[in-house]
Amino acid sequence: RKEVEQDPGPFNVPEGATVAFNCTYSNSASQSFFWYRQDCRKEPKLLMSVYSSGNEDGRFTAQLNRASQYISLLIRDSKLSDSATYLCVASLPLVFGKGTRLSVIA
Amino acid sequence: EAGVAQSPRYKIIEKRQSVAFWCNPISGHATLYWYQQILGQGPKLLIQFQNNGVVDDSQLPKDRFSAERLKGVDSTLKIQPAKLEDSAVYLCASSSPPGLRGIDNEQFFGPGTRLTVL
Repeated sequence: RKEVEQDPGPFNVPEGATVAFNCTYSNSASQSFFWYRQDCRKEPKLLMSVYSSGNEDGRFTAQLNRASQYISLLIRDSKLSDSATYLCVASLPLVFGKGTRLSVIA
Repeated sequence: EAGVAQSPRYKIIEKRQSVAFWCNPISGHATLYWYQQILGQGPKLLIQFQNNGVVDDSQLPKDRFSAERLKGVDSTLKIQPAKLEDSAVYLCASSSPPGLRGIDNEQFFGPGTRLTVL
């Protein structure tokens, strides 16, 4: 089975910091990429899709590098409410990474 | 709009017993997924349905796990017999069918069933 690799963290950062997560995928045929957020003991929820040209949604920026099979997520001006596990996803076939845990500290 | 419903929310059984989980996807979503999430891991896809047909079940342990979606709406996942290592959260998700070139759409997850095998 093709893999998606993420740094498990935890990343402990102060409020207002900028933090970046990286993810690599092994299946060069993967077509779709996503970042999901999962709060403790809750279900995953879509944070953002990742497009080839890169995309931004408020404080969040996602980048895709197909040549290096690498996806990134940048969070600017971290808030306490950003504390969660961030899951990188590649498809086809659907594979989730193990997640990167972020703790934003006051 | 109602979300993905799952039941039961919690289940405790002894090893070698059987257990079944139920999922009702968001209305109109043709694609349904079952995942297993072990503590500290990401969700692992067990099976993906498109309507009532199986798209991917390559990671389903077919000697003990089975799943069906007979009418293309609700789905059940069964484990028979359960092992200690099956202790996990079982997540159901649904989405609109993949778009052009097989690009997947957003998945909406249910709250999950937390299974403990003693």
